[in-house]
Amino acid sequence: DAGITQSPRHKVTETGTPVTLRCHQTENHRYMYWYRQDPGHGLRLIHYSYGVKDTDKGEVSDGYSVSRSKTEDFLLTLESATSSQTSVYFCASTGTGGEAFFGQGTRLTVV
Amino acid sequence: SQQGEEDPQALSIQEGENATMNCSYKTSINNLQWYRQNSGRGLVHLILIRSNEREKHSGRLRVTLDTSKKSSSLLITASRAADTASYFCATEEGSQGNLIFGKGTKLSVKP
Repeated sequence: DAGITQSPRHKVTETGTPVTLRCHQTENHRYMYWYRQDPGHGLRLIHYSYGVKDTDKGEVSDGYSVSRSKTEDFLLTLESATSSQTSVYFCASTGTGGEAFFGQGTRLTVV
Repeated sequence: SQQGEEDPQALSIQEGENATMNCSYKTSINNLQWYRQNSGRGLVHLILIRSNEREKHSGRLRVTLDTSKKSSSLLITASRAADTASYFCATEEGSQGNLIFGKGTKLSVKP
């Protein structure tokens, strides 16, 4: 498997608190993505990055922000967590071939 | 909104039978990809077909792409119980590598 890891793998947080999820890749891939996966919705794109400091919004970006200060790290921040953000979050990266490599996911519960 | 839509949403077959899943999308694409997700795991890339290709094979997988109909199909031949998983199509569009997934087809292969 490509070297892409997410942390933490599981998190329970309270409504209104900020939360940051981290994605780290060792493949020197240019593109990185954050998705959320919910029953009945498949994977929905939150934000993506096409280079250091270059990011753009996806389909469901409200309430989320991202930062990419280094090629290998892509951070997803929930500014003020809400119960609707309870989900499984996946990070992915792609290189020049277009094939995406996924992390193992982060299960986030907002109570 | 999501780009790809898989059909059917769920498919149950016997081991040894062929499984066919379809994907429709809405806009121009650079390429179309298929992924597999085993329960509780991240997605794994199966095959990529570029917009100027019509058919591609990889082992027991056969993918077709019809850009005039904006549709693709994934055929898994001689299915095995280990093929039980969810299958997603993803389309890459634009110049910045925006990768959009559909909702997936849940395949169950009974021994």
